[in-house]
Amino acid sequence: DAGITQSPRHKVTETGTPVTLRCHQTENHRYMYWYRQDPGHGLRLIHYSYGVKDTDKGEVSDGYSVSRSKTEDFLLTLESATSSQTSVYFCAIRGQGGTYEQYFGPGTRLTVT
Amino acid sequence: DQQVKQNSPSLSVQEGRISILNCDYTNSMFDYFLWYKKYPAEGPTFLISISSIKDKNEDGRFTVFLNKSAKHLSLHIVPSQPGDSAVYFCAASGENGSGNTGKLIFGQGTTLQVKP
Repeated sequence: DAGITQSPRHKVTETGTPVTLRCHQTENHRYMYWYRQDPGHGLRLIHYSYGVKDTDKGEVSDGYSVSRSKTEDFLLTLESATSSQTSVYFCAIRGQGGTYEQYFGPGTRLTVT
Repeated sequence: DQQVKQNSPSLSVQEGRISILNCDYTNSMFDYFLWYKKYPAEGPTFLISISSIKDKNEDGRFTVFLNKSAKHLSLHIVPSQPGDSAVYFCAASGENGSGNTGKLIFGQGTTLQVKP
């Protein structure tokens, strides 16, 4: 258990509204990641962070922004939600010591109607 | 462009037999490979990994094989158990000089069903 929580766990929202998902970790990990999981695509990286206020884009970053104002929290914002952003969102942290292993939170199921 | 591919969406095996899950990749810069298991409504769980300097890594019932020349890796589960029924994702990592950000590229996943 890497001490990762995500909130909310489920959300239904309307097209055009902003949505913020939160990832919280308790073990002072430097690297944090946001993925989305869709059928036929596996998990795709949206954005990642390599430190407080240090973030970069992943492969599917359009329509998403992130912020990391403190080590333990990594926020994912959908500026104006669209139906194509209906998905399951997972946050992950990278293990310590330069390892490539990542450990995932329980996920947030987002439905955009 | 799918850099990591799992061409079998599903696999069904009998309890006690071997499960073999396959994964192919195209990017020769990848130098570390991982397998994750995912149950419904849960986050993926790290299973086993292998560095490109090795061709085999074993952990209990799970063994990962890497064939760099074929750009292919496989996960063997022996013996398979009903509790192994899940979606399995392979993932790859490797940087092309931009630093070790640890970004992972995932395959599409293979659903394994182990029948009692």
